Amino acid sequence: DSGVTQTPKHLITATGQRVTLRCSPRSGDLSVYWYQQSLDQGLQFLIQYYNGEERAKGNILERFSAQQFPDLHSELNLSSLELGDSALYFCASSSDGKVYNEQFFGPGTRLTVL
Amino acid sequence: GENVEQHPSTLSVQEGDSAVIKCTYSDSASNYFPWYKQELGKRPQLIIDIRSNVGEKKDQRIAVTLNKTAKHFSLHITETQPEDSAVYFCAARDYGGSQGNLIFGKGTKLSVKP
Repeated sequence: DSGVTQTPKHLITATGQRVTLRCSPRSGDLSVYWYQQSLDQGLQFLIQYYNGEERAKGNILERFSAQQFPDLHSELNLSSLELGDSALYFCASSSDGKVYNEQFFGPGTRLTVL
Repeated sequence: GENVEQHPSTLSVQEGDSAVIKCTYSDSASNYFPWYKQELGKRPQLIIDIRSNVGEKKDQRIAVTLNKTAKHFSLHITETQPEDSAVYFCAARDYGGSQGNLIFGKGTKLSVKP
């Protein structure tokens, strides 16, 4: 157990809908990362937050947004869902957001868009 | 931005044999290269990493080598065991589009046959 929690574990929804994925980092970690894992693309970095502020963006679609709250938990919002958004979404956390520090991954949320 | 290519995509070895997974990267400014292991149905976990100021790093049966001139790095697992069976991801630090975050390869599925 990495100490990072994600809810829900599974999510099944329809095209065009909007969902929210939630992540709680390890105690004391200030930085949160979101990744998308699909079968053919491996792990794709989406976005990073540090102490409530956006620090870096990767290949995140405009239909997706995220935020980190004062208690440091983070939410990833996915809207106007398409079939291709079906994937495993991981959240990871690290102590200070520096790339050299290990990222601890949560168990993931499996999103299925029908 | 950074691009990471990983080979092979699948690798099958006999227990006790060695396994080698290779990655190439495109950005000569990259200076940090971690390897993550993801067992079936579980979260990715860091197993070893290397910075660009060293050429090799070992941790028991696992070693990583880095060739900065050729822009490639490799994971070596010796005396493989069935519990080494997993998907292995290499990654490189991206100074471009991801503002210093990690770009992952597409993964190598390693199967160790008893």
